[in-house]
Amino acid sequence: LAKTTQPISMDSYEGQEVNITCSHNNIATNDYITWYQQFPSQGPRFIIQGYKTKVTNEVASLFIPADRKSSTLSLPRVSLSDTAVYYCLVGVMDSSYKLIFGSGTRLLVRP
Amino acid sequence: EPEVTQTPSHQVTQMGQEVILRCVPISNHLYFYWYRQILGQKVEFLVSFYNNEISEKSEIFDDQFSVERPDGSNFTLKIRSTKLEDSAMYFCASSEGEGSFYEQYFGPGTRLTVT
Repeated sequence: LAKTTQPISMDSYEGQEVNITCSHNNIATNDYITWYQQFPSQGPRFIIQGYKTKVTNEVASLFIPADRKSSTLSLPRVSLSDTAVYYCLVGVMDSSYKLIFGSGTRLLVRP
Repeated sequence: EPEVTQTPSHQVTQMGQEVILRCVPISNHLYFYWYRQILGQKVEFLVSFYNNEISEKSEIFDDQFSVERPDGSNFTLKIRSTKLEDSAMYFCASSEGEGSFYEQYFGPGTRLTVT
């Protein structure tokens, strides 16, 4: 059974760097890893995407090791408005190809 | 900025009734998706749709569910005979292409409550 797992929750303080890891053992060979942010009562919103090594954009970095069985979302200098649930999304090969969201990590940023 | 829209924002229905959830994807997108999120749980993939056909579906998407693109703009999810466990947020999404390379744009969701 393909599973994509993340820590349930994380706490941080404003200005700190936060790293959230997702494990995806069954990732499909040619698939990208995408991370989304979700606020309460809203749809997920794209943050960053990568295939391997490191990707950086204006809001986050994404680190992907060579075996691609995990990925780490890095949020530099978080603020209160970064309090949200963060999901990884990958395509996995189980009995067939499936798009699977991770279990989600609830990040709480404290003042 | 273009966005995905969904109607209604909240639908209350009785068990056994049919419901249709509506979505208007971003106009130049070709791939459309429905996801479900039970309260407090993760987002779950239901189905993807391209060129008027289902391209992928999950185990959740059984014979009670169907999708349709009845015209050039709307994308609908029908649940034929709702059950209590169908109560959830339903999100529509669209993308330019298929697969994880393409960013999916999500709508605000429809909260379905089955009583």
